[in-house]
Amino acid sequence: DAKTTQPPSMDCAEGRAANLPCNHSTISGNEYVYWYRQIHSQGPQYIIHGLKNNETNEMASLIITEDRKSSTLILPHATLRDTAVYYCIVRVMEYGNKLVFGAGTILRVKS
Amino acid sequence: GAVVSQHPSRVICKSGTSVKIECRSLDFQATTMFWYRQFPKQSLMLMATSNEGSKATYEQGVEKDKFLINHASLTLSTLTVTSAHPEDSSFYICSAMGTGELFFGEGSRLTVL
Repeated sequence: DAKTTQPPSMDCAEGRAANLPCNHSTISGNEYVYWYRQIHSQGPQYIIHGLKNNETNEMASLIITEDRKSSTLILPHATLRDTAVYYCIVRVMEYGNKLVFGAGTILRVKS
Repeated sequence: GAVVSQHPSRVICKSGTSVKIECRSLDFQATTMFWYRQFPKQSLMLMATSNEGSKATYEQGVEKDKFLINHASLTLSTLTVTSAHPEDSSFYICSAMGTGELFFGEGSRLTVL
């Protein structure tokens, strides 16, 4: 699986959009970009995934650059409960294929 | 969405005893589950891939005789930490694949005294 690079930490004001970047310059054509988050002392929570088109769901939006070498997770209106570690992972979507976590980004949402 | 449940959520045991952690997929079948371990302020580290009806595949450096994995049904995988020692104290997390994405359990915090 390709490696990803994320900033170690970010701050965001409550109510504002949180934009979390991720670099994955060695991504392969069949690898998807996944985002998970982990709130303290809980299991990771799935947020969103995509291949090359931008994706949106009730939690977030995922913007993938045209060359697919980077992506941005957008939480449109961050709340204090969005404070967590956010993991960007690239992975071939194949049943049984494991998910390998990097260091992630600590997002602190402040009032 | 799909739900993965772990039990127990917290366990404290004495050094030398064995502890079993269960991971269940509640509303879907999972022929493959994964077990992770997480130390404080660190990321999740994959320990092993659990395959229903066959032996687990362990990551490099993980002792298969210490961390016994059994995946006896399509909805249940168990991790047994044998002869636990204080250095085995950690947060253990399982995951199972639904339709396209992996779902994670709530985690089990093991403290070995």
